[in-house]
Amino acid sequence: KQEVTQIPAALSVPEGENLVLNCSFTDSAIYNLQWFRQDPGKGLTSLLLIQSSQREQTSGRLNASLDKSSGRSTLYIAASQPGDSATYLCAVWGGGADGLTFGKGTHLIIQP
Amino acid sequence: DAGVIQSPRHEVTEMGQEVTLRCKPISGHDYLFWYRQTMMRGLELLIYFNNNVPIDDSGMPEDRFSAKMPNASFSTLKIQPSEPRDSAVYFCASSLVAGVDTQYFGPGTRLTVL
Repeated sequence: KQEVTQIPAALSVPEGENLVLNCSFTDSAIYNLQWFRQDPGKGLTSLLLIQSSQREQTSGRLNASLDKSSGRSTLYIAASQPGDSATYLCAVWGGGADGLTFGKGTHLIIQP
Repeated sequence: DAGVIQSPRHEVTEMGQEVTLRCKPISGHDYLFWYRQTMMRGLELLIYFNNNVPIDDSGMPEDRFSAKMPNASFSTLKIQPSEPRDSAVYFCASSLVAGVDTQYFGPGTRLTVL
């Protein structure tokens, strides 16, 4: 069964810093990997989706990479801002009955 | 588009009562997913539909849970009878093609069973 792990579980950094969130998964047979953002009491917002054949995706200050063979992904946030404070979730789509498997998330706080 | 719509947003009920959660997916999306989020277990997939047909319900915790999708624009998740351990946030999501396209999530229903 697929397992997704996110490190660190929580992170607090000053505004302006560049940071990296990590995600690892146990089964490399995936179709895609998604990064989501969740604000307190709200639903999930998709940030980036990387297909299994791709190595990275970029959106504004966000860059996500995927190394399927090693079962790892990173989310890079450049020039962090207080508005980036949220929980970031990584999820992999394994297809069929597995559906989308989520990590527990990284709770990020950007200090003004 | 208004996005994925869920109702109610909050539900408080007593143990043993029937609970029905509702979801309207984004128009044109062929896939609909039901998830449950708890502090202990995180986000878990309960069931998903393709063109109104359930693909897999192995994530449904017990026979007390059932889900239906009578048409392309409406789905329900029912718990009968409800128990305190069912307290969680239940999310509905939809996508064009599973495994290829982004899943779009609704705001969730926060269920509290007393």
